Amino acid sequence: GEDVEQSLFLSVREGDSSVINCTYTDSSSTYLYWYKQEPGAGLQLLTYIFSNMDMKQDQRLTVLLNKKDKHLSLRIADTQTGDSAIYFCAESSALNFGKGTSLLVTP
Amino acid sequence: EPEVTQTPSHQVTQMGQEVILRCVPISNHLYFYWYRQILGQKVEFLVSFYNNEISEKSEIFDDQFSVERPDGSNFTLKIRSTKLEDSAMYFCASDDRVGPYEQYFGPGTRLTVT
Repeated sequence: GEDVEQSLFLSVREGDSSVINCTYTDSSSTYLYWYKQEPGAGLQLLTYIFSNMDMKQDQRLTVLLNKKDKHLSLRIADTQTGDSAIYFCAESSALNFGKGTSLLVTP
Repeated sequence: EPEVTQTPSHQVTQMGQEVILRCVPISNHLYFYWYRQILGQKVEFLVSFYNNEISEKSEIFDDQFSVERPDGSNFTLKIRSTKLEDSAMYFCASDDRVGPYEQYFGPGTRLTVT
């Protein structure tokens, strides 16, 4: 599929909020997803949002969706060192992934 | 918690050789997938499989690739004649197609073609 775009790196201090942004391409996607990949591990579904929603909150995670601009963001509140990983956004049923954003959380 | 498993974790093979990557999806899932991730690049969809047949495949999934569910638990990806550019992490995933296609991924097999 066409490219799902993400910034490649993000560095934040422990306790701060992290915001990871994504621009997707498939306006017909019913759901949009955020996956997390820790070193040496597979992808783990973090959260998803239904395309008719603007926002979804799940504990420390907040997903914002702007369908007009095809923009998806993931906000992690009170970021911890254990949140350091690569975060992928994905669209559509045969998941079309971005390249991933490497989040580094420093003490 | 149920999980998808993959074997081997790392496979080294010579160019032109056949490789079979193995996956055991979650037992009550009916939809199975293979993805690959070339180092430093994005995760790419290869193929989806349901009811013993391919339901969707990408341009990457050419005649060199095949998938099979040889028994009730395993799901395999075969590459007939490996090329250097097949070197990548290969991820298997499964889901039950209920609601938001919550795919569960295995830890991956790192394939190195020399």
